[in-house]
Amino acid sequence: GAGVSQSPSNKVTEKGKDVELRCDPISGHTALYWYRQSLGQGLEFLIYFQGNSAPDKSGLPSDRFSAERTGGSVSTLTIQRTQQEDSAVYLCASSPVKGRNEQFFGPGTRLTVL
Amino acid sequence: GENVEQHPSTLSVQEGDSAVIKCTYSDSASNYFPWYKQELGKRPQLIIDIRSNVGEKKDQRIAVTLNKTAKHFSLHITETQPEDSAVYFCAASRGGGADGLTFGKGTHLIIQP
Repeated sequence: GAGVSQSPSNKVTEKGKDVELRCDPISGHTALYWYRQSLGQGLEFLIYFQGNSAPDKSGLPSDRFSAERTGGSVSTLTIQRTQQEDSAVYLCASSPVKGRNEQFFGPGTRLTVL
Repeated sequence: GENVEQHPSTLSVQEGDSAVIKCTYSDSASNYFPWYKQELGKRPQLIIDIRSNVGEKKDQRIAVTLNKTAKHFSLHITETQPEDSAVYFCAASRGGGADGLTFGKGTHLIIQP
């Protein structure tokens, strides 16, 4: 079946602009995760959803970052007033049910803030 | 919060030899430890995982060991092949992994022909 998809694959924006990144999880997966990967670095956890609620937002780096999930499916990550340090690959992952934990990753969105 | 340290950052081995990557974690409540492989420009893919109720798990040429007392876990790859070249990440989480993963910074594994 179809895997996790993300759009856009690449986004170039100017400093100060807002951006929205989209994640389509695997159908039926109740858990959804956002991570950030900076060049040559590991993955940094941002936020996760169980259904439409977000039990853990602790990884969001600032109040410029927000995320929502509607209908227990698609999620959007919004970055307001982008800064150059926001440049990274933003990865989304989904997992089938609570207690079964393999996280399947999407291809990521490469964000470049000029 | 959880902190995961991973060593070495780069590992070069001869084809056919074994490779070992080690990770330590800080949160004694962590109970799920996956390993991901990421090839250049591609998404991370789970290669093996272990839960805190077992000490070792094997899958063909790959094995993971966990020492809960010492809070460290290791990835072992035997009979390495060129296609094993990639960046490997360890991770840890509570809640059986239902919550977010804390990743190590990665090990770049290079298989020398």
